[in-house]
Amino acid sequence: ETGVTQTPRHLVMGMTNKKSLKCEQHLGHNAMYWYKQSAKKPLELMFVYNFKEQTENNSVPSRFSPECPNSSHLFLHLHTLQPEDSALYLCASSQAFSEYEQFFGPGTRLTVL
Amino acid sequence: DQQVKQNSPSLSVQEGRISILNCDYTNSMFDYFLWYKKYPAEGPTFLISISSIKDKNEDGRFTVFLNKSAKHLSLHIVPSQPGDSAVYFCAASEQGGSEKLVFGKGTKLTVNP
Repeated sequence: ETGVTQTPRHLVMGMTNKKSLKCEQHLGHNAMYWYKQSAKKPLELMFVYNFKEQTENNSVPSRFSPECPNSSHLFLHLHTLQPEDSALYLCASSQAFSEYEQFFGPGTRLTVL
Repeated sequence: DQQVKQNSPSLSVQEGRISILNCDYTNSMFDYFLWYKKYPAEGPTFLISISSIKDKNEDGRFTVFLNKSAKHLSLHIVPSQPGDSAVYFCAASEQGGSEKLVFGKGTKLTVNP
């Protein structure tokens, strides 16, 4: 595997479910990001981890809970989501937090029923 | 309020001609700008960037122009090829800030054979 991978690629869940999105980067990077892309909206930064430490929480509701066990893995735990949370969730990584060029995964298309 | 605006949701160009994608920004503190390209079912990939100390950066068929006084940048693709058909995102970042990338909504480019 190379680059940034995300699983699952598609997820359908009910509002009472608990699920997790997984991201893995094989680039040796130290910073990882979660973005949300809703229809007809710009990519919105959700969370940033730099050397496994969360450095940014962009006013994201607590029903989204990130976890970064090491520099290569990033999770987004989902609990009691709303239909308006349906979106494409993209993971990205960069060599360091100050590096502007970020490498994106293919995303997880989430549908909340 | 959107800080990075791509006012054209779509653009259609004939193969071999020039494609010009535009981006406007409102935050005068932005000093680094990037273009990302996204194919369906894939994550965005970095294309080209420009620092505010420059007004032009060229990489093969891709050239980005920056007009700081107008808070405007553009991406020129010449000659356009059918494989360039994708969604193009403009992004900006602020030096000394959180290095967050702020994205536009994207412009879907279609290059017709």
